[in-house]
Amino acid sequence: AQRVTQPEKLLSVFKGAPVELKCNYSYSGSPELFWYVQYSRQRLQLLLRHISRESIKGFTADLNKGETSFHLKKPFAQEEDSAMYYCALEAGNTGKLIFGQGTTLQVKP
Amino acid sequence: NAGVTQTPKFRVLKTGQSMTLLCAQDMNHEYMYWYRQDPGMGLRLIHYSVGEGTTAKGEVPDGYNVSRLKKQNFLLGLESAAPSQTSVYFCASSYTRQGAKNIQYFGAGTRLSVL
Repeated sequence: AQRVTQPEKLLSVFKGAPVELKCNYSYSGSPELFWYVQYSRQRLQLLLRHISRESIKGFTADLNKGETSFHLKKPFAQEEDSAMYYCALEAGNTGKLIFGQGTTLQVKP
Repeated sequence: NAGVTQTPKFRVLKTGQSMTLLCAQDMNHEYMYWYRQDPGMGLRLIHYSVGEGTTAKGEVPDGYNVSRLKKQNFLLGLESAAPSQTSVYFCASSYTRQGAKNIQYFGAGTRLSVL
């Protein structure tokens, strides 16, 4: 079955601390994975996708097929990083996404 | 360029009432999607469309119907609302070109309460 799991509902860190938001997936084929972010009072938007291998706002995510994980990392958290983060997996060839449950990141001053 | 626009933003219904949520996009996207967002459940796909005149069921389609009569619009209907349909509804759209079709652009959401 295709599934995305984000084990943490809430992750609370202090400003300047490292951040890792966990994402594990279950998929039989070759996965395409994404992180979407929803800042307060803003729309859900794409943060990054594994295929691009880019760093956005200091965040990176590496696809680990052996561990079926796509954890999101940032070495030094900023207060403006506080948001809801969703990991998502593309299912099939229609652009459909399967989302995880979401993790709220709270960065304290 | 407004992107993806959802109307209404808020709505309160009584059990058994019907309503239609409208999603409009001005990006000429082929693909459109309706999700519901519930606490602890993430976003779950209700229905989606890969082009004008076509629709398909997602993960949680029961109790909902959709129509895509025009490329830019995707309507979500609740024929007989139930309290279990209290949720925040998001519409999204995406391109069809390879490598970009799964970058979805979201609307601001519709908060629906069914009493």
